[in-house]
Amino acid sequence: QKEVEQDPGPLSVPEGAIVSLNCTYSNSAFQYFMWYRQYSRKGPELLMYTYSSGNKEDGRFTAQVDKSSKYISLFIRDSQPSDSATYLCAMTWYSSASKIIFGSGTRLSIRP
Amino acid sequence: EAGVTQFPSHSVIEKGQTVTLRCDPISGHDNLYWYRRVMGKEIKFLLHFVKESKQDESGMPNNRFLAERTGGTYSTLKVQPAELEDSGVYFCASSQDISSGNTIYFGEGSWLTVV
Repeated sequence: QKEVEQDPGPLSVPEGAIVSLNCTYSNSAFQYFMWYRQYSRKGPELLMYTYSSGNKEDGRFTAQVDKSSKYISLFIRDSQPSDSATYLCAMTWYSSASKIIFGSGTRLSIRP
Repeated sequence: EAGVTQFPSHSVIEKGQTVTLRCDPISGHDNLYWYRRVMGKEIKFLLHFVKESKQDESGMPNNRFLAERTGGTYSTLKVQPAELEDSGVYFCASSQDISSGNTIYFGEGSWLTVV
C-alpha cells in the first residue's frame, strides 16, 4: 500500500469552476502537509504548507487537513486556465525532516 | 536571484554507461536535496546534504548511485553503470533552513533516458 494516494486524473473543468483535489494517507505520524504545483517540464513549486488539522487560505487556494480521516484537500476558487498543471500533495513527519513523501499528482486542465 | 540550476536538462545514454548530473543550488542555501521520478511512479527522495555532509541518504536505491557535494556548493549525482530502470527525471532542490516544505525550491529536473 502506498503511503500517499492521489487520483491521477486527468481532471478537466470549465474556467471559473471550483476545483477540489484530494489525497489520502496511511501514516498517522505525518504532521506537515503540502501542495505543490508542477507545470509541464518544470520542477514542483510549493503552493501551500500546513501543519496538523484545519484550513489555511491563500488567495484563491484553500488547503484543508483532516487528520482523523487521514485526508487532505486543496480547493481552487475561480479557476483560471493558468491553473492548468499537475498538483502534487506531499507530507512529512516533522518540520526538520529531510524526506518529503509525494503523491503521484493530479493533472488538472481548466477549459477557457 | 538565480533558481536551482540543473545540468544536463536531457540525457540519453546506453545501458552500462555512466552519467553525471549536476545541481547548482540557490546561493546561500546550505540544504540540498535530490529526488527522482521514474516512469509511472511518485517523486521519491534520494538524499539530503547539509553543506558538504550527507544528512540522510536513505532514499538512494543502490550503490550504483553516488552523490557528492564537495565544498558545500554544487552537487553531482553519478549513476554508474546505468540501468534501464534508472530512466526518469532527477530533481534537485535546495533550502536555506531545514523547515520541511516551507522554503524548498526545486530545479526543472534532469531527464535521463537509458536505452
